[in-house]
Amino acid sequence: GAVVSQHPSRVICKSGTSVKIECRSLDFQATTMFWYRQFPKQSLMLMATSNEGSKATYEQGVEKDKFLINHASLTLSTLTVTSAHPEDSSFYICSANLDRGNTEAFFGQGTRLTVV
Amino acid sequence: DAKTTQPPSMDCAEGRAANLPCNHSTISGNEYVYWYRQIHSQGPQYIIHGLKNNETNEMASLIITEDRKSSTLILPHATLRDTAVYYCIVRVPWTGTASKLTFGTGTRLQVTL
Repeated sequence: GAVVSQHPSRVICKSGTSVKIECRSLDFQATTMFWYRQFPKQSLMLMATSNEGSKATYEQGVEKDKFLINHASLTLSTLTVTSAHPEDSSFYICSANLDRGNTEAFFGQGTRLTVV
Repeated sequence: DAKTTQPPSMDCAEGRAANLPCNHSTISGNEYVYWYRQIHSQGPQYIIHGLKNNETNEMASLIITEDRKSSTLILPHATLRDTAVYYCIVRVPWTGTASKLTFGTGTRLQVTL
């Protein structure tokens, strides 16, 4: 199956700093990628849709100025958590799918963000 | 996307078949049933999907009732590595938005020795 890679897998940062998470489709091109957030013992919640060459689409309640998404190429989307606070500590997961053909989603391994 | 209902947790002995049920009584005619699982601290993994016929692959089997209002994911010989949260999702399989998924609470499967 297609491979989606996230980096870093784990990051600790201080309050007020910004953190960038990368999501790459390794063996296919993805015009659209998706970012999810998962708090402990909860399910995944969609945050935003990342569109190559255009602005991201954010779900209701997600601050676009806080969670900056850039999808500059067909294989890379980045999520930057700006001015991070402890309540932003969470498991962030990206996903992508083939633009045609298979209809299943491929997920990255996730990034554990801890803000101290 | 139609809503699904799954039991919150299940136990299964290693080597036995794990049968995970899912109710989706409001499923519409063009919606498929997808199953994903999430092993602790990892991203979700696709397992299988189907429309109305039973499906089987190297990971699992999917049994969909004739009225399509419920389905069962079967792991024929569960191992400890199958311990995970299993999500049943029903949706129209548009390739462009295949990754835009609404996750419910899923079923936490614990495989024991």
